[in-house]
Amino acid sequence: GESVGLHLPTLSVQEGDNSIINCAYSNSASDYFIWYKQESGKGPQFIIDIRSNMDKRQGQRVTVLLNKTVKHLSLQIAATQPGDSAVYFCAEGAAGNKLTFGGGTRVLVKP
Amino acid sequence: GAGVSQSPSNKVTEKGKDVELRCDPISGHTALYWYRQSLGQGLEFLIYFQGNSAPDKSGLPSDRFSAERTGGSVSTLTIQRTQQEDSAVYLCASSPVGAITEAFFGQGTRLTVV
Repeated sequence: GESVGLHLPTLSVQEGDNSIINCAYSNSASDYFIWYKQESGKGPQFIIDIRSNMDKRQGQRVTVLLNKTVKHLSLQIAATQPGDSAVYFCAEGAAGNKLTFGGGTRVLVKP
Repeated sequence: GAGVSQSPSNKVTEKGKDVELRCDPISGHTALYWYRQSLGQGLEFLIYFQGNSAPDKSGLPSDRFSAERTGGSVSTLTIQRTQQEDSAVYLCASSPVGAITEAFFGQGTRLTVV
């Protein structure tokens, strides 16, 4: 079936630098995309979402970009901090269907 | 409650025993998900309930796994004849209307089969 494809790589980032986490999806019918952050020992927490009629959305220190042409989603974290160390998941969904999660990316912030 | 509640938070069981994991979703949420997460890995979809529709069981790894959702609220995930490979964190999530809104996760149940 359709799924969001994201292996579980590790992204090492120097504190203060920007982070970019990528996600590829395959279901062109998806109209809702979310990024989650999961800290050690906790359940995933919502970060930011974007609808398919948008290509960019900004939050506090985070920006999500959606490229429907190549079915690509990214999360940019500005001025990465030690508290940003976590596993990040993307998810996609559409009305009437369940959310589908990608495999996750581990972000390690180096001091 | 204020969020998704899962119990127990930790469960150690002997191989071959049955276990039941409970999820109390956020009140009013019609959609409920169960996921499994092995150490350091991603989220493995297990089952999805949406309102009164038939649940999507496509992620259940074997017939030892089953789940119920009574009265559209509390859900129980049952694993029969547990095996060591069942050891993982089991996460429950709920959302108001399914896949067009965010899902809220519980803290998970860490299951260890010895």
